[in-house]
Amino acid sequence: EVQLVQSGAEVKKPAESLKISCKGSGYSFSNYWIGWVRQMPGKGLEWMGTVDPGDSDTRYSPSFQGQVTISADKSINTAYLQWSSLRASDTAMYYCARHGDYYGSGSKIGHAMDVWGQGTTVTVSS
Amino acid sequence: QSALTQPASVSGSPGQSITISCTGTSNDVGGYSYVSWYQQNPGKAPKLMIYDVSNRPSGVSNRFSGSKSGNTASLTISGLQAEDEADYYCSSYAGTSTHVVFGGGTKLTVL
Repeated sequence: EVQLVQSGAEVKKPAESLKISCKGSGYSFSNYWIGWVRQMPGKGLEWMGTVDPGDSDTRYSPSFQGQVTISADKSINTAYLQWSSLRASDTAMYYCARHGDYYGSGSKIGHAMDVWGQGTTVTVSS
Repeated sequence: QSALTQPASVSGSPGQSITISCTGTSNDVGGYSYVSWYQQNPGKAPKLMIYDVSNRPSGVSNRFSGSKSGNTASLTISGLQAEDEADYYCSSYAGTSTHVVFGGGTKLTVL
């Protein structure tokens, strides 16, 4: 079964650092871009950025560039989203998702996200 | 403010058809055939319903269809069922600087 399994819920204080994870299984992890999507409480989906686990190439939404760091370790089929200094406004659900390969020509950033993790809740409060 | 504009809510009765619009610009929806639609039930992760404007992934009901005209994409659900009640989001590729954008989401209520 193709799946992405995310790390558990986190409760942090402002200014603390955090790294959450997303582990893939059931497919060739290195061959698919993995994106991160934020959903603030009661709000819509926001694409944050993506990583190619094969070579760790990353792309960010302008809204999130410099605010978070996305990375991957292909040796353990895991992608990461990290913050160096959390703010209360980072409180949200975070999803990882795979950019699909629909034509056998490879996963592309523009391709729809076909497999999603279960989400990681991050709460930042003093 | 989301990059793509969707109606906040739509509703329909069982058996009817509804259409959700998603309006962008020539830099996203109008410029690429990479428009997708996601269904999200409360407390759940989004689920892909349509990719590349009008293609359904395996397992998605053929009651769901997608189309695009100019800068506006549309999701149509025919033969509405109670189980279709959910939030729906459109998304589009937006080029090499912005990459991917989402709509603000539409809450579908089945009356």
